[in-house]
Amino acid sequence: SQKIEQNSEALNIQEGKTATLTCNYTNYSPAYLQWYRQDPGRGPVFLLLIRENEKEKRKERLKVTFDTTLKQSLFHITASQPADSATYLCAYQTGANNLFFGTGTRLTVIP
Amino acid sequence: EAGVAQSPRYKIIEKRQSVAFWCNPISGHATLYWYQQILGQGPKLLIQFQNNGVVDDSQLPKDRFSAERLKGVDSTLKIQPAKLEDSAVYLCASSLVGGGRDTGELFFGEGSRLTVL
Repeated sequence: SQKIEQNSEALNIQEGKTATLTCNYTNYSPAYLQWYRQDPGRGPVFLLLIRENEKEKRKERLKVTFDTTLKQSLFHITASQPADSATYLCAYQTGANNLFFGTGTRLTVIP
Repeated sequence: EAGVAQSPRYKIIEKRQSVAFWCNPISGHATLYWYQQILGQGPKLLIQFQNNGVVDDSQLPKDRFSAERLKGVDSTLKIQPAKLEDSAVYLCASSLVGGGRDTGELFFGEGSRLTVL
C-alpha cells in the first residue's frame, strides 16, 4: 500500500539555523509532491509544489528538493524564525488525482 | 477572495448520535475534498467530488458516512451513527483544477472539530 513517512514527529532548532525536514515515500512514483504548513487549530496552507522533473524549487527562505531515485523530498527553511514554528506536511498526488498526506513534522524554532 | 468556509467549527455529540458538517468551497473551484484528521496524524481523504460527481470515495466508511455536493457547489458530510473513533477534525478543501493529471494547490477550510463521547 502507499506510504509516506516524515522524518520525525518533532524537530527543535535554534533561531537563525536551517531546518531540514524529510519526506520519504514507498510503493508509488508520484508526478509531484506538495508541502503544506499547518498551525494549531487551523487548516493546512499550501507552501510549495515540486514536479518529478524538477530537482529543486525555491520560494523566499524555503527550498524543496525531490529525488525520485531515493524516493525522497527534503524541505529546508533557512534563517529560521520563531514564527516558522508549525507542523509541516508533505503530500503526493495519487493515481486518483487527490493528495495523500504524511503524518507531519512539528517544528519548533527556539529564540 | 473568500476562502473555504466550514461549519460548525466545533461539535460534541454522544456515540450513536448523528452529525452533519457543511462546506462552501472557493467560488469557481471544480474539485472538493473532505479529509479526516485524527490528532497527531496527517489528513486522510474521505471523498473527492469533481463538480457534483464523486471521483473517489474508496476511504469513506459508507456504512456510517455519507456526503453530497448539490449543484456542484456546497457540500455536506454526515455521520450516522457516530462512533468514538470518529473524533477528529473534518477538513474541507477545494482546488481550481478539475480532472486531468494535476490536482494543483488545495485550499483548506479551518475544519470542524468533532468530539464523540
